[in-house]
Amino acid sequence: DAGITQSPRHKVTETGTPVTLRCHQTENHRYMYWYRQDPGHGLRLIHYSYGVKDTDKGEVSDGYSVSRSKTEDFLLTLESATSSQTSVYFCAISESFQLARTDTQYFGPGTRLTVL
Amino acid sequence: QKEVEQNSGPLSVPEGAIASLNCTYSDRGSQSFFWYRQYSGKSPELIMFIYSNGDKEDGRFTAQLNKASQYVSLLIRDSQPSDSATYLCAVKGEYGNKLVFGAGTILRVKS
Repeated sequence: DAGITQSPRHKVTETGTPVTLRCHQTENHRYMYWYRQDPGHGLRLIHYSYGVKDTDKGEVSDGYSVSRSKTEDFLLTLESATSSQTSVYFCAISESFQLARTDTQYFGPGTRLTVL
Repeated sequence: QKEVEQNSGPLSVPEGAIASLNCTYSDRGSQSFFWYRQYSGKSPELIMFIYSNGDKEDGRFTAQLNKASQYVSLLIRDSQPSDSATYLCAVKGEYGNKLVFGAGTILRVKS
């Protein structure tokens, strides 16, 4: 398994509270990604990072922010959690050599977040 | 129209049979195609990728790509109950490193 950990693995919180999820990698990969997975929607990209302090939005970024101060850590923050953000959140990493068609993403174990 | 479409299933096959999982995509500039397997409650794990038209075989798995028809498939030969999982198709566009995922197909292999 790729060296990716996520914390916490499970969290229950209340609407309106801030929540931060952490992804940590030991592979020194350049790219890191945050996805959410919901029934019927598959995996949807929230934000991604292509280097320290370099981030960009994915398709479902509203209500989320990210930060990457070190190569190994990528944080996802829900500033004010809502029930619609109840989901399973996956972090992924990739080496991302330029023009590498075969560059693949490897996933962390996931965080199950419930917003009441 | 979704960018990557998969039949949600469940697809049920008997043990030992060939399971055929299909995926269509809308972006004609897509370059690379990935199949992930996801067991219930677990994270997706990469099975294989393909980027050239034709077939690519890896053990019991064969990926087939037809860019003209914008179609990619995964064949699992000699299906086993342990193959029961959700199979996710993912597509990488011409630029950048983002993957677009289909919603997945549930496969059930019955012993």
